[in-house]
Amino acid sequence: QKEVEQNSGPLSVPEGAIASLNCTYSDRGSQSFFWYRQYSGKSPELIMSIYSNGDKEDGRFTAQLNKASQYVSLLIRDSQPSDSATYLCAASSNTGKLIFGQGTTLQVKP
Amino acid sequence: SQTIHQWPATLVQPVGSPLSLECTVEGTSNPNLYWYRQAAGRGLQLLFYSVGIGQISSEVPQNLSASRPQDRQFILSSKKLLLSDSGFYLCAWSPLDGYTFGSGTRLTVV
Repeated sequence: QKEVEQNSGPLSVPEGAIASLNCTYSDRGSQSFFWYRQYSGKSPELIMSIYSNGDKEDGRFTAQLNKASQYVSLLIRDSQPSDSATYLCAASSNTGKLIFGQGTTLQVKP
Repeated sequence: SQTIHQWPATLVQPVGSPLSLECTVEGTSNPNLYWYRQAAGRGLQLLFYSVGIGQISSEVPQNLSASRPQDRQFILSSKKLLLSDSGFYLCAWSPLDGYTFGSGTRLTVV
């Protein structure tokens, strides 16, 4: 069973701090990785994609990928209360379908 | 531009009643389409996916079925709903980068 694992949280950080969200995956054949943000009652929204080892930055968000360790992370700098949401990690399967983790709930406290 | 539409937004149905949820995509042709379900506090479970008209693959045995009568239309159905069918149903399609989700249907079976 190919899996994507995340700590369900909640992860609580003060406003302005760096939030670090982590994810591991079991399928070594996965090539594409995605982070989605899901506000309560809403559908997931794609915020970052990463395909190569290393870091990818987009504004306050940085995605990190380490294929050798089968590890993906998302850093959110200068966290804001509006960042409070559930963050879903996803990895592509060899058939192209996305496998999602259970999500990590982030709470940013003012 | 490409958009995905999903309706209805909310639905309350009695046990044993039928179900039909519809999803349409605009601005693209021959998209891969997906139905996911998210139970309360849980991750995303892939139910069905389709790579073309009339082509449906089922991921898990269940009380639901899917159809793709037109290129950009994907329908999720049930003949008789169970309590366990309650959840947040999401349609998605796959552009080049990850999946894009519709706004979802929150189904409550009573």
